[in-house]
Amino acid sequence: GAVVSQHPSWVICKSGTSVKIECRSLDFQATTMFWYRQFPKQSLMLMATSNEGSKATYEQGVEKDKFLINHASLTLSTLTVTSAHPEDSSFYICSAGSGNTDTQYFGPGTRLTVL
Amino acid sequence: AQTVTQSQPEMSVQEAETVTLSCTYDTSESNYYLFWYKQPPSRQMILVIRQEAYKQQNATENRFSVNFQKAAKSFSLKISDSQLGDTAMYFCAFIPGAYNQGGKLIFGQGTELSVKP
Repeated sequence: GAVVSQHPSWVICKSGTSVKIECRSLDFQATTMFWYRQFPKQSLMLMATSNEGSKATYEQGVEKDKFLINHASLTLSTLTVTSAHPEDSSFYICSAGSGNTDTQYFGPGTRLTVL
Repeated sequence: AQTVTQSQPEMSVQEAETVTLSCTYDTSESNYYLFWYKQPPSRQMILVIRQEAYKQQNATENRFSVNFQKAAKSFSLKISDSQLGDTAMYFCAFIPGAYNQGGKLIFGQGTELSVKP
């Protein structure tokens, strides 16, 4: 149980285009989802927290107009990187938690390369 | 400030031996949840073990056990009978606060563990 999927696993796009990454909880209802960014050999950096049906809460320094987060249902959250630039290239990971547990379960991540 | 410190950026161990990864944290909360996550080369984050701060008994999961010292704010991970598949980046993390509906995880910098045959 507690499986989280992400799609796509790897995406390459041209500079200036937008990319959408999906995060799904497959066997539980995720009241809260988190989006992280990770650079090679570094720790996870929390970008934002999203609760189903409400606006995401962004961490300091994260541009909310650049990284649009939608959590429309208890099993799906999306991260859209708008007008992507090469510096947005990174590994993006989502995690999900439910209301009756303190544990977060992680998706497999999405590698974004912006050319 | 609530922080997690892993002072060992890299470690190596021979297969079948035991290794201990260090972690200290700082919080003013009296209750919180502590975790060790493993990130193998596939980069999938995998929960290794969790500990509730109000429980004095150290958590154990098969070959993985923790030494939780609440007063010292220390939460080390011991891996016994190390296997090649244990090669990964290990992150110590905690969620500050009382019972929490999926609160923010605060991560350490990670320790890269290599298990050598």
